[in-house]
Amino acid sequence: GENVEQHPSTLSVQEGDSAVIKCTYSDSASNYFPWYKQELGKRPQLIIDIRSNVGEKKDQRIAVTLNKTAKHFSLHITETQPEDSAVYFCAAILASGSQGNLIFGKGTKLSVKP
Amino acid sequence: DSGVTQTPKHLITATGQRVTLRCSPRSGDLSVYWYQQSLDQGLQFLIQYYNGEERAKGNILERFSAQQFPDLHSELNLSSLELGDSALYFCASSVNSGLSYEQYFGPGTRLTVT
Repeated sequence: GENVEQHPSTLSVQEGDSAVIKCTYSDSASNYFPWYKQELGKRPQLIIDIRSNVGEKKDQRIAVTLNKTAKHFSLHITETQPEDSAVYFCAAILASGSQGNLIFGKGTKLSVKP
Repeated sequence: DSGVTQTPKHLITATGQRVTLRCSPRSGDLSVYWYQQSLDQGLQFLIQYYNGEERAKGNILERFSAQQFPDLHSELNLSSLELGDSALYFCASSVNSGLSYEQYFGPGTRLTVT
């Protein structure tokens, strides 16, 4: 089955700096890679996702890159702000037909210091 | 607000008891997923239903069961509860088609077993 590893487990940056979180996956057939942001005690919120036929996707200050050959994908947050502080989870799935359960990494706690 | 609702928000019960958690998916979503989040285990996939039928099983204990009803709401039943079952239980829903596999999470049910 799929296994997702996420690094680092904690990340502290100064406001305005960039943050990068990296994930690797084991199943080369996986084809959908979402990223979730979770604030303390709240639901995971989908912030960006990428499919296996795309190498990079951007949405304002966040971007995700995918390297299928190396089986890794990364989240990039530029110009970080204190409100970016949260736990970020990557996930991977082989989405096919009616199936598509997410396998999550263990999360990265991002702290943005003002 | 993701459009996914879960009740109750909090549940406190004793070991050996049985509880039922309820989830209503977003309008139009046919798939419901259940995840368990505990401090040391991250987000663990439990089970998926699609249009009333079980589609995938993760690390769900035999003491746990779920079902999805004709109106597409789902219930997760946890029985013979143990202290280690204390966790946040999230459900998520998605359309699950060739075009869309995004999963949207409900606010969660915090279960405390004493």
